[in-house]
Amino acid sequence: GEDVEQSLFLSVREGDSSVINCTYTDSSSTYLYWYKQEPGAGLQLLTYIFSNMDMKQDQRLTVLLNKKDKHLSLRIADTQTGDSAIYFCAESKGNTPLVFGKGTRLSVIA
Amino acid sequence: ETGVTQSPTHLIKTRGQQVTLRCSSQSGHNTVSWYQQALGQGPQFIFQYYREEENGRGNFPPRFSGLQFPNYSSELNVNALELDDSALYLCASSLQGAAYEQYFGPGTRLTVT
Repeated sequence: GEDVEQSLFLSVREGDSSVINCTYTDSSSTYLYWYKQEPGAGLQLLTYIFSNMDMKQDQRLTVLLNKKDKHLSLRIADTQTGDSAIYFCAESKGNTPLVFGKGTRLSVIA
Repeated sequence: ETGVTQSPTHLIKTRGQQVTLRCSSQSGHNTVSWYQQALGQGPQFIFQYYREEENGRGNFPPRFSGLQFPNYSSELNVNALELDDSALYLCASSLQGAAYEQYFGPGTRLTVT
């Protein structure tokens, strides 16, 4: 079956880098995603990576994919207080529904 | 470009009642998916609509039903509400064949008492 696991909490100091990790079980996953959810809000698509890529960088965000270990990470450089939110890892096969983890709550300490 | 909108924002219903939630897809998107997010959990897929027909369904009972209209907007209907139906209901729109770019609305918070 499909399963996506994330650690529940992460706390970092403002200006440091944050690394949020995720593991998934479905080796046929084609796309892996990171979504951000701020309090009381919907989900914001931050970035996604195709399974034949190892890395994707977009401004302060770096996504690393280790397909062999089924491990995905999101690095946020120079973390700011506005980055405090819940970050969801998700996977799909492109045209299949998104399967989400339970989310990692990132707290940024000023 | 107009983003995904949902209404209402919040809703309180009593167990056994029925509820209808609405979603307008992002401009140009023809596919709408609905997800349920219980407190402290990740979103769970309910179903997807494309060309006004259900195009995939998650592990939800038949009392969860939906509609899609010619303008691609969608409704989620839940009959015989149960306490466990209390959740944030999220709508996401995409282009058929490009489901890797799903954009979510702000959600409707449903509380069942």
